[in-house]
This record gives sequence, C-alpha cells and structure tokens, in this order.
Amino acid sequence: AQSVTQPDIHITVSEGASLELRCNYSYGATPYLFWYVQSPGQGLQLLLKYFSGDTLVQGIKGFEAEFKRSQSSFNLRKPSVHWSDAAEYFCAVGAWNTGFQKLVFGTGTRLLVSP
Amino acid sequence: EAQVTQNPRYLITVTGKKLTVTCSQNMNHEYMSWYRQDPGLGLRQIYYSMNVEVTDKGDVPEGYKVSRKEKRNFPLILESPSPNQTSLYFCASSLRWDSSDEQYFGPGTRLTVT
Repeated sequence: AQSVTQPDIHITVSEGASLELRCNYSYGATPYLFWYVQSPGQGLQLLLKYFSGDTLVQGIKGFEAEFKRSQSSFNLRKPSVHWSDAAEYFCAVGAWNTGFQKLVFGTGTRLLVSP
Repeated sequence: EAQVTQNPRYLITVTGKKLTVTCSQNMNHEYMSWYRQDPGLGLRQIYYSMNVEVTDKGDVPEGYKVSRKEKRNFPLILESPSPNQTSLYFCASSLRWDSSDEQYFGPGTRLTVT
C-alpha cells in the first residue's frame, strides 16, 4: 500500500524568501502525485499534479514540484513566498491502478510567512 | 459555477443522534469520495463511489454509511455518532476514478459530537 510522509509539521519563511516543502512517498510502481493547499477555513485546492512525463511540474500560484524516483520524493518549491501563501499544504499519492479510489494524504505542513 | 457543496458547514450534536451530511456536485462527475481531517493525521478516506449505486469502503469506514442514488449526490450518514467522530469532513468529486483531471473538494463540514 502506498504511504506519504511530510516530515515538517511547521515551516516559517520570510516573505520574499524561497520555499521548499518536503514530501516522500512509498509505492512500488509509478505513482500519481499531488500537492494541495488548504487556506484557513477553506477546502483543498489543487496546486499541481504529476502523472507521467516531465518530472518538473509547474502549478498554479507560482509553485513547482520535482518528481525524483530515486529518492521517492516530490518536493514543492516556490522561489519567492508571499504572505498570502500562508496555509497548510498536503502531499498525496495515488496508485496507477486505483487512481482516486485510494488517494493517500500526508499529515500536512503548515507554512507561516513572517514579514 | 462548477462546485462541490456540503451542508451543513457546522454541526454540533449529541452522542447517538443520527445525522446526515449532504454533498452535491454540479459537474456530472462519476467519482465521489468522503474524507475526514484530524490534526496530525491529515485526510483519511471514509468511503468512495465509482458511480451511481457503486460504493466502497476507504480506510476509516467504521461508524459511517453512504448512498449514491443519484450521480450528483453522495450523503454521509452517521447512524449513531460518537465523540471520536468529531472531525472536519470533506466531500470530493472527480470526472472518473482514473481520470487525470483533478479531484474537487467541498468547503468542509465541521462536526462536533458531545
């Protein structure tokens, strides 16, 4: 069964600084990988996804993520953080043969942005 | 506007009093799912539905029931709620279970069981 680890519970970044949120997954075959963002009191919004092809994926709001099979990682990056990026971020993995049926989420990383 | 709606958004109830949380989508999606979100545990899948009349258990189905009589609706039923079901619940939908399209989430329902 697939699993996801987000090792950082909280991260604080200064506004304008770069950001990297870590995500490690466990799955035997090629996974489907997602990053979602949850703003306070809101539902989840998809930032980006990886299904196949180019391992560097561009998403909305200036985010990107890189799939590294050798490291079983799918880290989320942003070159310059804005105060509005403060939110909780979830990495999720799905299996190619079950799709959304068994989407497994990480425990989330809460991003704080300092002035 | 394409969306997933949930009602109610907030609910406080007592142990054992049956309740239903409704979920509706207007995108003609085949696949729908329920999750619960708890601090430190992320989102965990409760039940999902591949299409009308087809449902299956997720990772944490105990204490919950679902039905899918129509394509657009996927209510979550708690027959006898207990305090350990206090949580934030999300409904989600996507075009198909194996679609490369994204999964759309509702705004959430915060349930407190006393």
